[in-house]
Amino acid sequence: DGGITQSPKYLFRKEGQNVTLSCEQNLNHDAMYWYRQDPGQGLRLIYYSQIVNDFQKGDIAEGYSVSREKKESFPLTVTSAQKNPTAFYLCASRGGTPTYNEQFFGPGTRLTVL
Amino acid sequence: KNQVEQSPQSLIILEGKNCTLQCNYTVSPFSNLRWYKQDTGRGPVSLTIMTFSENTKSNGRYTATLDADTKQSSLHITASQLSDSASYICVVSNSNDYKLSFGAGTTVTVRA
Repeated sequence: DGGITQSPKYLFRKEGQNVTLSCEQNLNHDAMYWYRQDPGQGLRLIYYSQIVNDFQKGDIAEGYSVSREKKESFPLTVTSAQKNPTAFYLCASRGGTPTYNEQFFGPGTRLTVL
Repeated sequence: KNQVEQSPQSLIILEGKNCTLQCNYTVSPFSNLRWYKQDTGRGPVSLTIMTFSENTKSNGRYTATLDADTKQSSLHITASQLSDSASYICVVSNSNDYKLSFGAGTTVTVRA
């Protein structure tokens, strides 16, 4: 999984709870990404960050929030406003030029709403 | 809208046999196309990447082809092994903002 760690591997959330998914990378990459994966669908971009202290919304940002206070860390918070949060969440990082856009993925966190 | 369509959705093959996965895309302007392998419950791992000028790329028993004119790609798996059982995802990058468009994947099951 290329120097990217995600924790926890499994996470259970009760209705109305906020939960935070951790993503850490030791690849010295500037850019980091959060994706959501649902059965039968392609990965969808939630948020991304090109550099420390800066981040942008992806295609499905509603109900999620992020921070990028350190280069190696990009935590994702799933808020109670996210109505259907059960999914597999993948974090990725990219270094070098964007031309090849080589993104390295973490092992993922499976979030289940009880 | 940038889209990536993969077929078949799933397939089952016997160990030692070959198979070919298809990917059609509408992403424009095109930058590159990548095939990823994703084991169940794990993150995707890159197999091959091709830019506009490349029409074939191999990685061991995996061979990817690209026809940029028809916007089609294929991934051929030769002499399949049980460890090839996974989901294979086609990913296309556009050259405007380098965002990635993901296919839904083809699930390959290799049986002994």
